[in-house]
Amino acid sequence: GQNIDQPTEMTATEGAIVQINCTYQTSGFNGLFWYQQHAGEAPTFLSYNVLDGLEEKGRFSSFLSRSKGYSYLLLKELQMKDSASYLCAVTDSNYQLIWGAGTKLIIKP
Amino acid sequence: IAGITQAPTSQILAAGRRMTLRCTQDMRHNAMYWYRQDLGLGLRLIHYSNTAGTTGKGEVPDGYSVSRANTDDFPLTLASAVPSQTSVYFCASSEAYSDTGELFFGEGSRLTVL
Repeated sequence: GQNIDQPTEMTATEGAIVQINCTYQTSGFNGLFWYQQHAGEAPTFLSYNVLDGLEEKGRFSSFLSRSKGYSYLLLKELQMKDSASYLCAVTDSNYQLIWGAGTKLIIKP
Repeated sequence: IAGITQAPTSQILAAGRRMTLRCTQDMRHNAMYWYRQDLGLGLRLIHYSNTAGTTGKGEVPDGYSVSRANTDDFPLTLASAVPSQTSVYFCASSEAYSDTGELFFGEGSRLTVL
């Protein structure tokens, strides 16, 4: 079966750095996405990785290792507005998106 | 403002009733999707459409139907609602189905079936 695993909840301190991990087992791989979803709102796109390595976009970076079926999202200089759920999703060989259940990130002052 | 509009934003419905959730996009995207989101589960695809005039079944299609008469509109119908269909429903679109581009989501429709 196809599976995406990510921690259910994480807590971090304002101004700090947090890493949210995602491991996946899918039939084929055509890319990995990270989305941010604030409570009661729609998911919004953060990043896309298809090759191994680190993609940096401002305070957010996303890493991919295809051989390990592993990705992480790194958030630096955390702000209170970063409190949200972070969704990992993988595109399989049929270009279907398989979604993780999301990681709820709580930022404390 | 460009994007995806869903209606209604929230609805309470008696079991057995018919309900249509509306979705309209103005980005001229070819592909559209309906997902449901339940606590503790990832987004699950209900139905999708590659282009106007075609639709396909996703992971959890039972009890739902869709149509795609034109590029902009993609309504989702529950023919006879059941309590297990209580969920938050998101409509989304992308430029193409077999696409590694991002999905754009509507604000969601929260449906409660009693």
